[in-house]
Amino acid sequence: EVQLLESGGGLVQPGGSLRLSCAASGFTFSGYAMNWVRQAPGKGLEWVSIISGRGNKMYYADSVRGRFTVSRDNAKNTLYLQMNSLRAEDTAVYYCAKHPIVLVAPAHPVADSWGQGTLVTVSS
Amino acid sequence: QSVLTQPPSVSGAPGQRVTISCTGSSSNIGVPFDVHWYQHLPGRAPKLLIYGNNNRPSGVPDRFSGSKSDTLASLAITGLQAEDEADYYCQSYDSSLSGYVFGTGTKVTVL
Repeated sequence: EVQLLESGGGLVQPGGSLRLSCAASGFTFSGYAMNWVRQAPGKGLEWVSIISGRGNKMYYADSVRGRFTVSRDNAKNTLYLQMNSLRAEDTAVYYCAKHPIVLVAPAHPVADSWGQGTLVTVSS
Repeated sequence: QSVLTQPPSVSGAPGQRVTISCTGSSSNIGVPFDVHWYQHLPGRAPKLLIYGNNNRPSGVPDRFSGSKSDTLASLAITGLQAEDEADYYCQSYDSSLSGYVFGTGTKVTVL
C-alpha cells in the first residue's frame, strides 16, 4: 500500500524559509515522479511542483518559481520542498503526491496517490 | 485564478444523477491533454476518481463516469449516495502555462 507522510509544516514569518519532507513507502520510490500540491484555506487545489524519478528534471508553477526548490533522496525514499521568501499567500496545506510514472508526463494525472498534508502558515 | 472552470456547487437527492462540468480552453482540455477527476473529503487525502477522461482506477464504483468533448469535460455520478458528499476537482495540463492545472472545484451536497 502506498503511504506518503508529510512533515515540516508550521508557522513562519513573511520572508522566512521552511523545508517540507515527505516520507514514502509501499512502492519503488525512484520509479515515480513526485509532486507537491497545495490548498489554501477555503480555496481549491493548486499544483506547485514536480520532480522526475531520477531527480534530474524539475518543474514549477509560476507562483513559486524562483522561491521554492523541489528535491528528492531516493536512497532515503524522501521528497523535499525548500520554501524561501515565503509570503502570506503561501499559507496552505501542502500535499505530497505520487505521479503515475517515472517521467513527467502531461498526459497523465498529476497524481494517483496523495498524503494527508501538512499545514504551512505564513504570518507575523 | 484557475484556467478550468467548474460550478461551485451541485446537489441531488439520494439515488439521483448529478453532473459536474469543467470548462477549459484550447491550451488545455481543447488539445490532446486528458482530463482527470479527484474526490476530496475535508481533512482527507484527495483521491483519483477518473483518469484519461473516462477511466476508473481499481476500486472506484462504476457510478462515477467521465467524458470530454472539445473544451468541455464532465463528471457524472449516478445513484447518488450520502458518502459521495465531497469536493470534486477536474485536472489537466496547460500548454501555455507549461504546468498542471486544477479546476475551481465543485461541492456536491446530498440532500
